[in-house]
Amino acid sequence: GENVEQHPSTLSVQEGDSAVIKCTYSDSASNYFPWYKQELGKRPQLIIDIRSNVGEKKDQRIAVTLNKTAKHFSLHITETQPEDSAVYFCAASIQWYDMRFGAGTRLTVKP
Amino acid sequence: ETGVTQTPRHLVMGMTNKKSLKCEQHLGHNAMYWYKQSAKKPLELMFVYSLEERVENNSVPSRFSPECPNSSHLFLHLHTLQPEDSALYLCASSQVLGDEQYFGPGTRLTVT
Repeated sequence: GENVEQHPSTLSVQEGDSAVIKCTYSDSASNYFPWYKQELGKRPQLIIDIRSNVGEKKDQRIAVTLNKTAKHFSLHITETQPEDSAVYFCAASIQWYDMRFGAGTRLTVKP
Repeated sequence: ETGVTQTPRHLVMGMTNKKSLKCEQHLGHNAMYWYKQSAKKPLELMFVYSLEERVENNSVPSRFSPECPNSSHLFLHLHTLQPEDSALYLCASSQVLGDEQYFGPGTRLTVT
């Protein structure tokens, strides 16, 4: 089955800096890669996703890149703000019933 | 947010008890999901339902039994659980399989 690894487990940046979180996956058939943000005590929320026929996707300060050959994808947050502080989860799936999540990255943005 | 609700929010049960978790979505979605969130595995998909039919389960022990009586309601029936089943159980829904999922607030389960 699919195995997803996520790095780093914790990340601390200064407000205004960029943050990058990387994930690797094992099954080359995976074709859907969402990213979720979970603030402390709150439910996960989808922030961006990418499908395997696209190499990069942007939404304001957030971007995701996908390298199918190397089987890794990354989340990029630019101009970080304190409200970006949360745990971020990546995931990979072939079909909707087999989604596998990374272990999460705790991002802290210092004002 | 009131789109996806879960009850109870907290539950403490003994290993011999039988209890049920309830999820209700008010978004008119056709797909619903159960997730388990714990320190050991931060987010784990357990069950997927589409149009009230189970799509697949991910090797979940039989002490967890899902039920989807209609497209708005999803239950997780629990019996003879183990302490390691203590976790946050999250419900989610999406318009159809493959769409953005909206999560409920979760039920914090403690098995003693």
